[in-house]
Amino acid sequence: NAGVTQTPKFRILKIGQSMTLQCTQDMNHNYMYWYRQDPGMGLKLIYYSVGAGITDKGEVPNGYNVSRSTTEDFPLRLELAAPSQTSVYFCASSSTTGSEQYFGPGTRLTVT
Amino acid sequence: KQEVTQIPAALSVPEGENLVLNCSFTDSAIYNLQWFRQDPGKGLTSLLLIQSSQREQTSGRLNASLDKSSGRSTLYIAASQPGDSATYLCAVIPDSWGKFQFGAGTQVVVTP
Repeated sequence: NAGVTQTPKFRILKIGQSMTLQCTQDMNHNYMYWYRQDPGMGLKLIYYSVGAGITDKGEVPNGYNVSRSTTEDFPLRLELAAPSQTSVYFCASSSTTGSEQYFGPGTRLTVT
Repeated sequence: KQEVTQIPAALSVPEGENLVLNCSFTDSAIYNLQWFRQDPGKGLTSLLLIQSSQREQTSGRLNASLDKSSGRSTLYIAASQPGDSATYLCAVIPDSWGKFQFGAGTQVVVTP
């Protein structure tokens, strides 16, 4: 049972480039989340999904897009990367509302 | 808006001493509270989830208490070990759907 997996682990982007961060969970969880973590800060919610085909914005959605075509996958798309998007990105999932969240290992992204 | 604070930001204790980690939140109307552990360069590992109707949760050497009226949760780790060195984060869920608000974490070093 792999839990929540994320790829890639590390990535360096040039300003203006685009990329997709992949997230997959094998626990059949309906709820999935994308967070970013900046040094010395708590995690901030970017986007979330309550099921396939249903997504909504979190606290810091600007510059990102998501889609949820299956229960397992929740990719995060960065368009026109900016230095302010340099961060560590975590994907998480949970089975029901308010239940325990399970996190992936993270993607460390640098935009230069 | 819910604010979650963890003080101190860092602490160092000798091996064997009990650890006491604090988490404060401004809005007492929370649904759940979850404690996580984060090792350097890794994702978050769930330690304990406390439902709003509970006063405490225990798992091995870990005990977490919740006092909603005062807006506080405390994580106790008994007889600390060097392997307990990590950053500990708390997160509150302000409503039933599960949108976490995270604290910035307390970085713990347990010295042999």
